[in-house]
Amino acid sequence: DGGITQSPKYLFRKEGQNVTLSCEQNLNHDAMYWYRQDPGQGLRLIYYSQIVNDFQKGDIAEGYSVSREKKESFPLTVTSAQKNPTAFYLCASSTAREANYGYTFGSGTRLTVV
Amino acid sequence: GQQLNQSPQSMFIQEGEDVSMNCTSSSIFNTWLWYKQDPGEGPVLLIALYKAGELTSNGRLTAQFGITRKDSFLNISASIPSDVGIYFCAGKSLWAGSYQLTFGKGTKLSVIP
Repeated sequence: DGGITQSPKYLFRKEGQNVTLSCEQNLNHDAMYWYRQDPGQGLRLIYYSQIVNDFQKGDIAEGYSVSREKKESFPLTVTSAQKNPTAFYLCASSTAREANYGYTFGSGTRLTVV
Repeated sequence: GQQLNQSPQSMFIQEGEDVSMNCTSSSIFNTWLWYKQDPGEGPVLLIALYKAGELTSNGRLTAQFGITRKDSFLNISASIPSDVGIYFCAGKSLWAGSYQLTFGKGTKLSVIP
C-alpha cells in the first residue's frame, strides 16, 4: 500500500546535538512538507519542497535544515541552533493537483531534548 | 501569510451529543478540507469541499462550504468516545500556489462517556 513513513516514532536528543528525522513516501508525490506541532499552536510549516533538489523555508525554518535528493525522501535535521526543539514533527506530501484533495500525513515523530 | 480562525479551541461534551465547529478566513478559498488527528498520530482527511454551498457527509460527520467562500463548518452527530482528537480545518486560497494549504489551529474534542 502507498503511504508516507516517518521514523523513528520517538527520539531523544541531548542538548547541543543535531538529529535527523526521516520521511519517506511511495505515493509518487511531487511535494513534501515538514510541520512542527506544539500544544495549542496548530501546525506550523518548517520547510517544503516542490521538486527534487529544491526546497523553500516555511514560517519557522530557523534552526532546521532539509535536503531533497530523491523524490521519495525529505529528511529534516534539527540542529543545535534550534532553541526549543522538543515538539511533535509531522511530514506530509501532495501532488500539485492533489493539494486540492489535501495532504497525506505521516504518523509523526516526537522529539524530546533531555 | 494566510490566516484561518478556527473555533472553538476546545470542547468537552457528553457522549451522544452533537458537535459543531467552524473555520473562517479573511480571504476567499476555493477548497475546504477537514482533518482529524488522533492522539500521537498524524492528521487524516475526513471531508473535502470544492463548491460554495456544498454540503458533504461522511457517516456521522457533515461539513459545509460557506456561500461566501470564506468559511466552513463541521458537525458531528451523536458523538462517541472514539471521536476524541483534534479537528483541523484547512483551505486552499485562490491566490495561493498550487501546493499551498493553510491550516487552522485545531479544535480539541473531549467526549465524556
